[in-house]
Amino acid sequence: EAQVTQNPRYLITVTGKKLTVTCSQNMNHEYMSWYRQDPGLGLRQIYYSMNVEVTDKGDVPEGYKVSRKEKRNFPLILESPSPNQTSLYFCASSSFPPGFQGSSTEAFFGQGTRLTVV
Amino acid sequence: SQQGEEDPQALSIQEGENATMNCSYKTSINNLQWYRQNSGRGLVHLILIRSNEREKHSGRLRVTLDTSKKSSSLLITASRAADTASYFCATDAGGNTGKLIFGQGTTLQVKP
Repeated sequence: EAQVTQNPRYLITVTGKKLTVTCSQNMNHEYMSWYRQDPGLGLRQIYYSMNVEVTDKGDVPEGYKVSRKEKRNFPLILESPSPNQTSLYFCASSSFPPGFQGSSTEAFFGQGTRLTVV
Repeated sequence: SQQGEEDPQALSIQEGENATMNCSYKTSINNLQWYRQNSGRGLVHLILIRSNEREKHSGRLRVTLDTSKKSSSLLITASRAADTASYFCATDAGGNTGKLIFGQGTTLQVKP
């Protein structure tokens, strides 16, 4: 079954304690990205990756890191989490980047990770 | 920055009625997509419309795109209680970047 898997689904942590949220896709997609969703602000893109070893900042990258060492995995790293990073996080993947003018750029989303930083 | 802004923010209708949601964006785009999100869950892709297309259909969904007004609309016909969800438009940032920009969404409630 084609899917994007995020772990963990729920996480409560303390300020400053490094954490990693994993994301894995089994569709051989080149494009992957991370979003955070906050009430009243919608979904905002944190980082994206066009391919292995190619990553770039989205609209809200501060406080986050990513890596893309393998095609299927795109972990989100919070080196020193703060309470303002409390949010619902989504990972997504697609065959092509959003602006691709050829085939469908449909994105597949993971089920989300609800992070609380206290 | 918010590329897409959606209108209305919330919509409540009776089962069987049609629901229309609008999305406006600011910059040139290659594609515009609509997604659905059931409460707190991942987003599900509904339909994509390219910048050179004006209208597209998929089942009970009809999407229009007016690039001169930088706006799109999503029409759900003959709505069902199961259509209750939040709906988001998403656009690329133009060019060949990997940015995908979402609107703030319309929350649709369909009453049985």
